Amino acid sequence: QTVVTQEPSFSVSPGGTVTLTCGLSSGSVSTSYYPSWYQQTPGQAPRTLIYSTNTRSSGVPDRFSGSILGNKAALTITGAQADDESDYYCVLYMGSGNWVFGGGTKLTVL
Amino acid sequence: QVQLQESGPGLVKPSQTLSLTCTVSGGSISSGSYYWSWIRQPAGKGLEWIGRIYTSGSTNYNPSLKSRVTISVDTSKNQFSLKLSSVTAADTAVYYCARAGISSPGDVWGQGTTVTVSS
Repeated sequence: QTVVTQEPSFSVSPGGTVTLTCGLSSGSVSTSYYPSWYQQTPGQAPRTLIYSTNTRSSGVPDRFSGSILGNKAALTITGAQADDESDYYCVLYMGSGNWVFGGGTKLTVL
Repeated sequence: QVQLQESGPGLVKPSQTLSLTCTVSGGSISSGSYYWSWIRQPAGKGLEWIGRIYTSGSTNYNPSLKSRVTISVDTSKNQFSLKLSSVTAADTAVYYCARAGISSPGDVWGQGTTVTVSS
């Protein structure tokens, strides 16, 4: 079964820019995988940030953007803030109605 | 504004069937081109997509869970449900219901409900 890969952890300085990626154990991610991105803080339900590669969910600031970079989906956060410190999950559409989440990236802002 | 709320037993014995219901408020479960999903998260671990249902009754399930999962919808009650049979401790998790679109497995999420499998 194809595995969706994410960096386990990442750190960024306040005000800085960070790009998290979402790849496949075999093959390249394209827009056909409809990558979505979620932000989750401890004890809370996930919050939808990005869907269909680069469409921001309602209310999500434009500091968050999605794209395809090379053979991976990417989430870029510009002007990182303290409350961006969260777990970030991507998910890819594998066809036949099935979705697979990545393992998540723990982002530290320090 | 659509809201979702999970409900069901917080404790299930091994080998039994886990049953959860998601109640949709603020909109009709039948309106719009939405799927309705279940997603779970073991403590300290990542998210796992369980499956989804369309209001027509059409379903898709995670292949790794397919033999044990049933998702159903009751449009008259504005609810959809999850049944997971033959549970083990590995099924202990927070279970989320979510509204899904064609291009994402969840855009509006419930707050989640914790289910523990233990005798």
